[in-house]
Amino acid sequence: RKEVEQDPGPFNVPEGATVAFNCTYSNSASQSFFWYRQDCRKEPKLLMSVYSSGNEDGRFTAQLNRASQYISLLIRDSKLSDSATYLCVVLSGSARQLTFGSGTQLTVLP
Amino acid sequence: NAGVTQTPKFQVLKTGQSMTLQCAQDMNHNSMYWYRQDPGMGLRLIYYSASEGTTDKGEVPNGYNVSRLNKREFSLRLESAAPSQTSVYFCASSELQGSNQPQHFGDGTRLSIL
Repeated sequence: RKEVEQDPGPFNVPEGATVAFNCTYSNSASQSFFWYRQDCRKEPKLLMSVYSSGNEDGRFTAQLNRASQYISLLIRDSKLSDSATYLCVVLSGSARQLTFGSGTQLTVLP
Repeated sequence: NAGVTQTPKFQVLKTGQSMTLQCAQDMNHNSMYWYRQDPGMGLRLIYYSASEGTTDKGEVPNGYNVSRLNKREFSLRLESAAPSQTSVYFCASSELQGSNQPQHFGDGTRLSIL
């Protein structure tokens, strides 16, 4: 079982739609959680951290369920510029390393 | 402010050749990392350097060596390249390894081994 699992997609949604991505992690002792965004053939960039109480940054909402070991990202009012791969990332282990999911691909269509 | 700079951006090697991937950061970060990214897989950590003078193995270190030359620079060496090492390689840095601070990535080196 992968440490961090994501639905690879692709998700193809119309502009203005709301879309949600899910992620599960296997290490119950994981300490911190993040969503990174990676544009095609580019480097990953931090989108947002995920806090236990849930957090929002504009059109983006992240939630964490520690009991179910589940993280989600909700994007409202999708824009063409949201088209990218979204990486679920977990900080865990005695060495406190980041483990990356393989990503969920989103295409927002005009 | 350049952030994290990787060279080269593209490279084609023959099996058995050696090469060094260079990485430099100008953010005064303590920690640096090398990852590889393959289709359908997440980024996998090859080696990291928590601070100047230290290096440690990550998830997939076999076939690679690293050098933390100084606080700014962290290089990755392939001594005898194999086709299985065809991948996109990313260097990253962060203020402190294991903290909640984000990692900042270079724009990658696309390496093909024939």
